[in-house]
Amino acid sequence: GQNIDQPTEMTATEGAIVQINCTYQTSGFNGLFWYQQHAGEAPTFLSYNVLDGLEEKGRFSSFLSRSKGYSYLLLKELQMKDSASYLCAVMDSNYQLIWGAGTKLIIKP
Amino acid sequence: DAEITQSPRHKITETGRQVTLACHQTWNHNNMFWYRQDLGHGLRLIHYSYGVQDTNKGEVSDGYSVSRSNTEDLPLTLESAASSQTSVYFCASSAGTEVGIQYFGAGTRLSVL
Repeated sequence: GQNIDQPTEMTATEGAIVQINCTYQTSGFNGLFWYQQHAGEAPTFLSYNVLDGLEEKGRFSSFLSRSKGYSYLLLKELQMKDSASYLCAVMDSNYQLIWGAGTKLIIKP
Repeated sequence: DAEITQSPRHKITETGRQVTLACHQTWNHNNMFWYRQDLGHGLRLIHYSYGVQDTNKGEVSDGYSVSRSNTEDLPLTLESAASSQTSVYFCASSAGTEVGIQYFGAGTRLSVL
């Protein structure tokens, strides 16, 4: 079956750095996507990786290793507004997104 | 500004009733999707469409139907609502060449009593 695993919850301090991991087993791979979802709101797209390596977008970076079935989202200089759930999703061979259950990130002052 | 809107935002219905959730996008996107989101689960795909008159079943399509008569709208119908269909429903759309970069509506919270 298809499976996306990410930690349920993480806590970090304002101004610090946090890494949210995602491992996957899917039928085919056409990209890995990260979305942010604030409580009670819609998911919003953050980044995606198709090839191995690091993609940087301001305070957020995403890394992919296809051979290991592994990705992480790195958030730097954490702000209180970064408190949200972070959703990892893989596009499978049918070009459908398979979603992880999300990691709830709690930022403490 | 382009947007994707869902209505209603909240709905309470009774078991066995037919319910239709609306989704309207002004992005002019070919691709549209319906997901449900439940605690402890990732978003699960219900139905999707890659263009007018095209509809496809997703992972959890039983008890749901969609139709695509124009580019802007993809209504989701629950033919006979069940308590197991209590959930938050999200509609999303994406451009033809960027299927995975999806723009989501604000969601509809549906309770089936």
